[in-house]
Amino acid sequence: RKEVEQDPGPFNVPEGATVAFNCTYSNSASQSFFWYRQDCRKEPKLLMSVYSSGNEDGRFTAQLNRASQYISLLIRDSKLSDSATYLCVVQTNTNAGKSTFGDGTTLTVKP
Amino acid sequence: NAGVTQTPKFRVLKTGQSMTLLCAQDMNHEYMYWYRQDPGMGLRLIHYSVGEGTTAKGEVPDGYNVSRLKKQNFLLGLESAAPSQTSVYFCASSYSDRVQAFFGQGTRLTVV
Repeated sequence: RKEVEQDPGPFNVPEGATVAFNCTYSNSASQSFFWYRQDCRKEPKLLMSVYSSGNEDGRFTAQLNRASQYISLLIRDSKLSDSATYLCVVQTNTNAGKSTFGDGTTLTVKP
Repeated sequence: NAGVTQTPKFRVLKTGQSMTLLCAQDMNHEYMYWYRQDPGMGLRLIHYSVGEGTTAKGEVPDGYNVSRLKKQNFLLGLESAAPSQTSVYFCASSYSDRVQAFFGQGTRLTVV
């Protein structure tokens, strides 16, 4: 079983739709969680960190469920520019400097 | 403000050749990382460094070596390239191990 698992998709949604991605992790010692966005043939860039209380940034909401060991990303009112691959990243305190990346979920927003 | 810079951006190697990928960051970060990304997959950690003069193995270290002689630079070496090392290589840096990492633009390496 992979340490971090994501639904690869692809998710194809119309503009204005709401879409949600989940990411499960296997290491209960995991402490830090992030969502990165990666455009085609580009480097990953941080979209948002995921806090225990959940956090929101505009149209994006991230949630953490420690009991079930998953994090989620909700995108409301999808835009064409949201089309990208979204990477879930999990860090553990026992591996200093080590992040485990999910394989990514691909989102395509269509007109 | 350059951030993280990788050189070269593209390279084609013949099997058995060697090369060094250079990563430079100007953010005074302690932590630096080398990842590889294969089609349809996430990033896999090759080696990382938690400070100048230190290196550690990641998930897929075989066939690679690294050095961190200066805080701002992290070098990735391939001593004898193999077709299985065809990939996109990303360097990243962060100021600690629990915050976001900043990535370079990647190096597309093809080994024929």
